[in-house]
Amino acid sequence: GAVVSQHPSWVICKSGTSVKIECRSLDFQATTMFWYRQFPKQSLMLMATSNEGSKATYEQGVEKDKFLINHASLTLSTLTVTSAHPEDSSFYICSARDQQRPGELFFGEGSRLTVL
Amino acid sequence: GQSLEQPSEVTAVEGAIVQINCTYQTSGFYGLSWYQQHDGGAPTFLSYNALDGLEETGRFSSFLSRSDSYGYLLLQELQMKDSASYFCAVRESNFNKFYFGSGTKLNVKP
Repeated sequence: GAVVSQHPSWVICKSGTSVKIECRSLDFQATTMFWYRQFPKQSLMLMATSNEGSKATYEQGVEKDKFLINHASLTLSTLTVTSAHPEDSSFYICSARDQQRPGELFFGEGSRLTVL
Repeated sequence: GQSLEQPSEVTAVEGAIVQINCTYQTSGFYGLSWYQQHDGGAPTFLSYNALDGLEETGRFSSFLSRSDSYGYLLLQELQMKDSASYFCAVRESNFNKFYFGSGTKLNVKP
């Protein structure tokens, strides 16, 4: 099956610093990846769609300057949380879609960010 | 825009059958997916319906009615390990995005 790897699983940082989260599709090429944010016991909120070789498209209300997304290759997308603040603390999950299985999203393990 | 509604919590006993409903509103619709998520983990794919009708995958089945903007996930022969949150998600025709419902927490009791 398709595998998506996300790193790091846990990260703690100081307020004002930036944090980069990587998402890799290990055995398929993903022209599109999606970044979600999840608060405890809540749903997955789509933040942005990451498109290989082009700019990401952000959902309404998501600050593109705060959450920088880069999709430099068919297997790697990165999310950088810039100048992190405690309210950015959350569970961030990436996912990818294999074009051979269009209705299915493959998720990374998620990254739990804690900003002190 | 889009909105999805599902019950917040359902409780059932081992061996029973449970149905989790999902109603949705979306501007462009390709299909409805279902995902399972255990506490602290990532969602895993269960089922996808693009056409009306029932899809069966082992103990799990999923149903879709496009005309009613409604679907459900049916879990049979419940096991303790089925205790988790279940999310429906619409695949939108605009840019193939996936939007998730609020989730249903399933508690399976002995």
